[in-house]
Amino acid sequence: GAVVSQHPSWVICKSGTSVKIECRSLDFQATTMFWYRQFPKQSLMLMATSNEGSKATYEQGVEKDKFLINHASLTLSTLTVTSAHPEDSSFYICSAGRTGRGAQPQHFGDGTRLSIL
Amino acid sequence: ELKVEQNPLFLSMQEGKNYTIYCNYSTTSDRLYWYRQDPGKSLESLFVLLSNGAVKQEGRLMASLDTKARLSTLHITAAVHDLSATYFCAVGSNFGNEKLTFGTGTRLTIIP
Repeated sequence: GAVVSQHPSWVICKSGTSVKIECRSLDFQATTMFWYRQFPKQSLMLMATSNEGSKATYEQGVEKDKFLINHASLTLSTLTVTSAHPEDSSFYICSAGRTGRGAQPQHFGDGTRLSIL
Repeated sequence: ELKVEQNPLFLSMQEGKNYTIYCNYSTTSDRLYWYRQDPGKSLESLFVLLSNGAVKQEGRLMASLDTKARLSTLHITAAVHDLSATYFCAVGSNFGNEKLTFGTGTRLTIIP
């Protein structure tokens, strides 16, 4: 079964709306989660690293005021696309992995398809 | 800056044929991942390669890693239609807590 749950799967909303996407680790604690963005027919690009209890680390060129990340607990990170516009339409994927003892490779969420009209 | 390149970008092949997808990366890394992505879906993990000379096989797919050459290959044997998908390699470090850099992807279409 899924070990990383992402919600919602698909969002269609009007321009100017803010959209929140949740990423949960289901059976392990994740001090770090990652948010990726994928445009159609392109590869995944890392947007930011979400750190539990501290500020997210954003990759170059990603607007931190546009893509708000909150990692308030060890099992939940949220990505909020603020005042979304059509150019923000994309497939957003989160990932998380077990660290420390019993460390394993990352698991990916099912992704969220965001369409801004 | 780490760069990960895949070749080819697009591949169309007939069922029953063999082919290899190549993944080159620019800096030293000891962790190489292969993923499959079906249209509209997220990533499915195929292989994790952890050391030089590592070879893993699952069904008609076999992956290998040469860390000295900074090269990984994904070999397809006797392709079947169900293998049609986009395949990504990714380079990272530190299990669980790592940034992955993805290759450009190879869109594979198997023709009956």
